[in-house]
Amino acid sequence: EVQLLESGGGLVQPGGSLRLSCAASGFTFSNFAMSWVRQAPGKGLEWVSDISGSGGSAHYADSVKGRFTISRDNSKNTLSLQMNSLRVDDTAVYYCAKDRGFSPLYGMDVWGQGTTVTVSS
Amino acid sequence: QSVLTQPPSVSGAPGQRVTISCTGSSSNIGAGYDVHWYQQLPGTAPKLLIYGNNNRPSGVPDRFSGSKSGTSASLAITGLQAEDEADYYCQSYDSSLTGSVFGGGTKLTVL
Repeated sequence: EVQLLESGGGLVQPGGSLRLSCAASGFTFSNFAMSWVRQAPGKGLEWVSDISGSGGSAHYADSVKGRFTISRDNSKNTLSLQMNSLRVDDTAVYYCAKDRGFSPLYGMDVWGQGTTVTVSS
Repeated sequence: QSVLTQPPSVSGAPGQRVTISCTGSSSNIGAGYDVHWYQQLPGTAPKLLIYGNNNRPSGVPDRFSGSKSGTSASLAITGLQAEDEADYYCQSYDSSLTGSVFGGGTKLTVL
């Protein structure tokens, strides 16, 4: 069964850091681009970052550029998101999602259940 | 303000047909990038409904269909059912932003 399982969410103070992980199973992880998408309480979906299947290409939304870093370990089938200098408006449910192709252009066909990040003092 | 514009809400009676529009620009939909649609039921993760403008993943009923023209795309749902009540999002790639973009989402209410 194709599955994504996020972890690492929690409560953090403004300016703090958090590292999210996404464990993938049931497919050849290195063949597919992966993305992080977030959803603030009561709001819509917001793309955060993506990374190609090889890990050689990564992109970020302007709202997180310079603060967040996406990475992947294809030997461990794991996707990560290092979040630094967290702000209150980073509060959201964070989903990892698998793209249908090697590059993040073909639609996200598998989603995790989400992990909640709350930034508050 | 989302890069892709969707109506905040649409509604229809059971059995009816509804459409949800998604309007972009020359740097995303108009540049030829594919549009994808997602359904999000309350309290759950999004689910891919349509990929590549008009293709349905296995298991998605043929009541759902997508189309694209110029700088816009549409999702059509025929034979509306109570279980279709959800939020729907369009998504594409934007070359100016060098990343994916989502529409603001449309809440479908089945009357």
